Amino acid sequence: DAGITQSPRYKITETGRQVTLMCHQTWSHSYMFWYRQDLGHGLRLIYYSAAADITDKGEVPDGYVVSRSKTENFPLTLESATRSQTSVYFCASRGQGGPSEQYFGPGTRLTVT
Amino acid sequence: GDSVTQMEGPVTLSEEAFLTINCTYTATGYPSLFWYVQYPGEGLQLLLKATKADDKGSNKGFEATYRKETTSFHLEKGSVQVSDSAVYFCALRKTSYDKVIFGPGTSLSVIP
Repeated sequence: DAGITQSPRYKITETGRQVTLMCHQTWSHSYMFWYRQDLGHGLRLIYYSAAADITDKGEVPDGYVVSRSKTENFPLTLESATRSQTSVYFCASRGQGGPSEQYFGPGTRLTVT
Repeated sequence: GDSVTQMEGPVTLSEEAFLTINCTYTATGYPSLFWYVQYPGEGLQLLLKATKADDKGSNKGFEATYRKETTSFHLEKGSVQVSDSAVYFCALRKTSYDKVIFGPGTSLSVIP
């Protein structure tokens, strides 16, 4: 499918488990982003990547790990999930140059019990 | 640092009412400004944008004008519909290499 996809769309996991959220885009966009959305906090940037093998921290990186070995994929891993990481996670991508639009995936709703 | 401020709502309007959602920003230079919309259960999507002072972005009956003198980018629509019920995010980006900075979002409910 063309565009930006996330999987799974819904996930329930237990405290202490490792979980990986997947993000895939078909446009070969240089930039990719992970946000979390929580009531009262809006969107907060977790990590971003300007290109394959280049990643950088956003506002709230603690407890998360990312990698970008291929341009089209940007997985987000919670190494040891905590209840405070219950949230909706959005992946986004953007091309380089100009006021280019940022495209968002449909989101993954993660619940940590 | 750079930031975006917008009314958080929730805003409730009757169908066909006039909508204004205020957005102001703090940033050096001349950022590009955006409005994104998030419908229930979906990701954000770009609604409109403006890249320089006095530009007007428009889409789906929504409009916003980039006002450098007041550092504002207020969203307006003359007659809202139930289908406009969503969360609206104002955002800025300074250069093509920068991250987008989002406001907190404004929830809009339109009732028949």
